[in-house]
Amino acid sequence: DADVTQTPRNRITKTGKRIMLECSQTKGHDRMYWYRQDPGLGLRLIYYSFDVKDINKGEISDGYSVSRQAQAKFSLSLESAIPNQTALYFCATSIGAGASYEQYFGPGTRLTVT
Amino acid sequence: GQNIDQPTEMTATEGAIVQINCTYQTSGFNGLFWYQQHAGEAPTFLSYNVLDGLEEKGRFSSFLSRSKGYSYLLLKELQMKDSASYLCAVGMDSNYQLIWGAGTKLIIKP
Repeated sequence: DADVTQTPRNRITKTGKRIMLECSQTKGHDRMYWYRQDPGLGLRLIYYSFDVKDINKGEISDGYSVSRQAQAKFSLSLESAIPNQTALYFCATSIGAGASYEQYFGPGTRLTVT
Repeated sequence: GQNIDQPTEMTATEGAIVQINCTYQTSGFNGLFWYQQHAGEAPTFLSYNVLDGLEEKGRFSSFLSRSKGYSYLLLKELQMKDSASYLCAVGMDSNYQLIWGAGTKLIIKP
């Protein structure tokens, strides 16, 4: 079984709708991240969480919110989807402490907002 | 601001060697990562350099010069499965975030 899973894998929604993307991990990592990837751009950080009680905004948090329901679960919500939020969304995890913070990525959610 | 530059696309021949460069200008530095990403898939970790010099791992090697803000990924004995995007990312010591380059798409031809 995959260590980091994301649901749904693909989603088409309409402008103005609220949607939630979910991420679960079995790696036991404290740190979790949400990124979006657009063609020609690097991965951009939306939100990150160092533990259940610690949520931080990333580079592009406007229009998004998150919930860390448990160590293993981190959800991303688009309150009112707009077409420029069409992108590939990745969840990632990393070890919470120490110098090594290689990130482990989920398979991605391809979101289209029409 | 933070800036990471990589070539957009490179082409190489199966069995050959290719070097993918990455230059960075960031306000902090706590290591440089290389990830591989096949089309439509998740990035996967390849290497991490925090000290100057060359790190070798099988067919892949990664080099870092902190004074020059420069790294490269060297791929030897290229195989068709190496066709992918290669992402360079700098770790920030202030908040443990990664700043990502846009990636280099590597096309391998027979």
